[in-house]
Amino acid sequence: DSGVTQTPKHLITATGQRVTLRCSPRSGDLSVYWYQQSLDQGLQFLIQYYNGEERAKGNILERFSAQQFPDLHSELNLSSLELGDSALYFCASGGAGWADTQYFGPGTRLTVL
Amino acid sequence: AQTVTQSQPEMSVQEAETVTLSCTYDTSESDYYLFWYKQPPSRQMILVIRQEAYKQQNATENRFSVNFQKAAKSFSLKISDSQLGDAAMYFCAYRGNYGQNFVFGPGTRLSVLP
Repeated sequence: DSGVTQTPKHLITATGQRVTLRCSPRSGDLSVYWYQQSLDQGLQFLIQYYNGEERAKGNILERFSAQQFPDLHSELNLSSLELGDSALYFCASGGAGWADTQYFGPGTRLTVL
Repeated sequence: AQTVTQSQPEMSVQEAETVTLSCTYDTSESDYYLFWYKQPPSRQMILVIRQEAYKQQNATENRFSVNFQKAAKSFSLKISDSQLGDAAMYFCAYRGNYGQNFVFGPGTRLSVLP
């Protein structure tokens, strides 16, 4: 158990819908990362927040947005969902450094029908 | 843009033997970090080892070690005394010094044969 929690574990929805994925970091960790893992595109870094501020951005679509709240939990919002958004979404937490160890959550499996 | 290549989609090793997983990357940056992550069937991502590019000494973590060749842009992972629990997908990853780019390779699926 990494100490990172993600809810829900599974999510099934329809195209065009909007969903919110939630992540609670390990106690003491100020950074939260979001990743997407799909069969055709592998593991992709989406975005990082540090202490409430966006710190680094990867291949995150404009239909996706994220935020980190004062209690350090984070939410990833996915809107206008397409079939290709079906994937495993990971959250990880870590420290302030670029190379700090990241502790991954168990992931949220999103299926778009 | 940075890219990470893992040329071996699948590999297998006999229990107690040694195996080396390959990784090459492309970057124009001089300072960066490299990582190997393990993803077992549970799908959890686990950091195996990391290397800072400015350090010449190869990183080692118990049975796991790397061969970092900066000029060749190569970062291979050696697993010694392979155990059944080492069976997993292994991802090589790159992160730039300013953290903007975090790129994963396509992964190598490692099987450990009893």
